[in-house]
Amino acid sequence: SAVISQKPSRDICQRGTSLTIQCQVDSQVTMMFWYRQQPGQSLTLIATANQGSEATYESGFVIDKFPISRPNLTFSTLTVSNMSPEDSSIYLCSVEDLDRTRGEKLFFGSGTQLSVL
Amino acid sequence: RKEVEQDPGPFNVPEGATVAFNCTYSNSASQSFFWYRQDCRKEPKLLMSVYSSGNEDGRFTAQLNRASQYISLLIRDSKLSDSATYLCVVNPADSSYKLIFGSGTRLLVRP
Repeated sequence: SAVISQKPSRDICQRGTSLTIQCQVDSQVTMMFWYRQQPGQSLTLIATANQGSEATYESGFVIDKFPISRPNLTFSTLTVSNMSPEDSSIYLCSVEDLDRTRGEKLFFGSGTQLSVL
Repeated sequence: RKEVEQDPGPFNVPEGATVAFNCTYSNSASQSFFWYRQDCRKEPKLLMSVYSSGNEDGRFTAQLNRASQYISLLIRDSKLSDSATYLCVVNPADSSYKLIFGSGTRLLVRP
């Protein structure tokens, strides 16, 4: 199974500022995913980050608000820009399980708990 | 209508009880189904995949009913450590990686 390191684990930020979340994987993966989990809500896919190309954003999410970098096959960052209290959420990076015989689909980082004041 | 719907609970059961959760999905073409477990303030982790024929893993049994578009999870002999939120997850047919998560069913197992 993949080991995913995500940081920071939590942060409290002022509105109007930006926060960059880092995700490091211990193996090379083609696709990395960024999810958001708002309080009491389900996980929602923000975007898919592919190495060497622009991220693919889901409906309701735009690059200006959530710029993503994917400089290599083991690392990605998600920036939450110009934050407002509505951005308070848990942000999770994930990767797909390459060993399909195990049946697992996604591994998740430990998440970043973001609170915007 | 949500793509994946679950009863949020909480289900409050005594140790040793049997508890069942259901989940419904809206896309009849969905191909893959999973149950994930999420502990408080932790990331989700795969509990088990759900196969058409139904499958069992120890005290956990998952069932799929395609005709009615629902998935179930049965937990027998509940343990205190089973207390968590159980997420129903569906993979729509049009993507091999985009998962749709339910909002979860919270289980509390009391002594």
